[in-house]
Amino acid sequence: AQSVTQLDSQVPVFEEAPVELRCNYSSSVSVYLFWYVQYPNQGLQLLLKYLSGSTLVKGINGFEAEFNKSQTSFHLRKPSVHISDTAEYFCAVSGDYGQNFVFGPGTRLSVLP
Amino acid sequence: GAVVSQHPSRVICKSGTSVKIECRSLDFQATTMFWYRQFPKKSLMLMATSNEGSKATYEQGVEKDKFLINHASLTLSTLTVTSAHPEDSSFYICSARGVTGTDLNTEAFFGQGTRLTVV
Repeated sequence: AQSVTQLDSQVPVFEEAPVELRCNYSSSVSVYLFWYVQYPNQGLQLLLKYLSGSTLVKGINGFEAEFNKSQTSFHLRKPSVHISDTAEYFCAVSGDYGQNFVFGPGTRLSVLP
Repeated sequence: GAVVSQHPSRVICKSGTSVKIECRSLDFQATTMFWYRQFPKKSLMLMATSNEGSKATYEQGVEKDKFLINHASLTLSTLTVTSAHPEDSSFYICSARGVTGTDLNTEAFFGQGTRLTVV
C-alpha cells in the first residue's frame, strides 16, 4: 500500500521569501510522484511530476521538487513566493499504469504581504 | 495538454432528487477515471475507480447504489448522486488517465470540480 504524509498543514510565509513544503511517501514499489495546486473551488492543477531520471524536477510557476529515494521524500520548493501562490498544495503518489493516485492531506500555503 | 471538463460546476438540488455530474476528456481517450469527494479544508477522498466498459470499483464505505458511476465511453464518465440528502453536499472532482503505455497515463488530469448543495 502507498501513503503520503505532508507534515505541515499550514505554512505562512512573507512575499518574496523562499518556501519549502514537505512531502514523504511510503511504497513497496516504484512510484511516480506529483505535486498539485488547488485554488478555492477549483480542481487540481499539476505543478510538476517525477517519473524517472533526474531527481530535481522543475515545474510551472517557478516551483521545483527533489526526489530523494533514501529519505522517501519529494519536497516542493520555490525561491521567492508571490501573493498569487496562496493555495492548497497536495503531494501525490501513484504506482504503475492505471493505479489510483494517493494524496497527502494537503498544505495550505499563505503568502503574506 | 490533456483537458478534462466537468459539468456542472455548481448545482443546488432539493433533498430526495438525483443529480448527475459529467466528466469528459476533451482531447484524449481516458481508459480510467476516478471520482473524488472533498470535504472543506480536507484532502481528496477517492470514491471509485471506473474503467471504460466495466463496472466501477468502489472504495470501502462508499455506497454504490447511492453514487452511480457510468463509464460508457472512452471520453465520458458520469456520477449520479441518487436521492440526495444534505449530508451529500460536498465538492466532487473527477480525474482521468489516458491509455496505458502512453504519456497521458503517467499523470491524472483533473476536472474543475462540482460544488453540490442539497437543500
